[in-house]
Amino acid sequence: NAGVTQTPKFQVLKTGQSMTLQCAQDMNHEYMSWYRQDPGMGLRLIHYSVGAGITDQGEVPNGYNVSRSTTEDFPLRLLSAAPSQTSVYFCASTTGRTSGELFFGEGSRLTVL
Amino acid sequence: GESVGLHLPTLSVQEGDNSIINCAYSNSASDYFIWYKQESGKGPQFIIDIRSNMDKRQGQRVTVLLNKTVKHLSLQIAATQPGDSAVYFCAERPPAAGNKLTFGGGTRVLVKP
Repeated sequence: NAGVTQTPKFQVLKTGQSMTLQCAQDMNHEYMSWYRQDPGMGLRLIHYSVGAGITDQGEVPNGYNVSRSTTEDFPLRLLSAAPSQTSVYFCASTTGRTSGELFFGEGSRLTVL
Repeated sequence: GESVGLHLPTLSVQEGDNSIINCAYSNSASDYFIWYKQESGKGPQFIIDIRSNMDKRQGQRVTVLLNKTVKHLSLQIAATQPGDSAVYFCAERPPAAGNKLTFGGGTRVLVKP
């Protein structure tokens, strides 16, 4: 059982470039989310989705777009990368509308030069 | 906005001793709390949760204590092992927040042989 799979694991971008971080889960979870992790700041919620076709903003959504066309996939798009987006990004999923047991991927480390 | 915080950024503990990781939360309306463990290079992993109608909950070698009077949460690890070396995060969820969690900054636990 693969769980939550994120690709790529590492990426280096130049300022202004665009890219998509991929996230896929095979647990049929309704809820999916993206967090960023910066030193000393814990995990901050970027965007989330409670089901296919439904997305919403989290705490730090600026500079990121998401879509949820299928239950399995929840890609995170950076349209014009900035150095402030250098971070480790985690995708997480869970089932049920109130579960706090999130299943996380292994992360994608992004560096923007 | 309100956030979850931690008292100690790094905790060194002798193998076999008990560990206590503390967390102070500021949102008095939060009704659900969770502890996560993050090993180096991996995503966070759920350890244990507790709802606000409880003050103690035990798992395998772990106990979470909740003191709502002083808005304090702690995670106790019994007989700490080398595999317990990781960063531990507490997270809170206000009412009606669904699956959205607010994470604290994390505490690193180092187990000395």
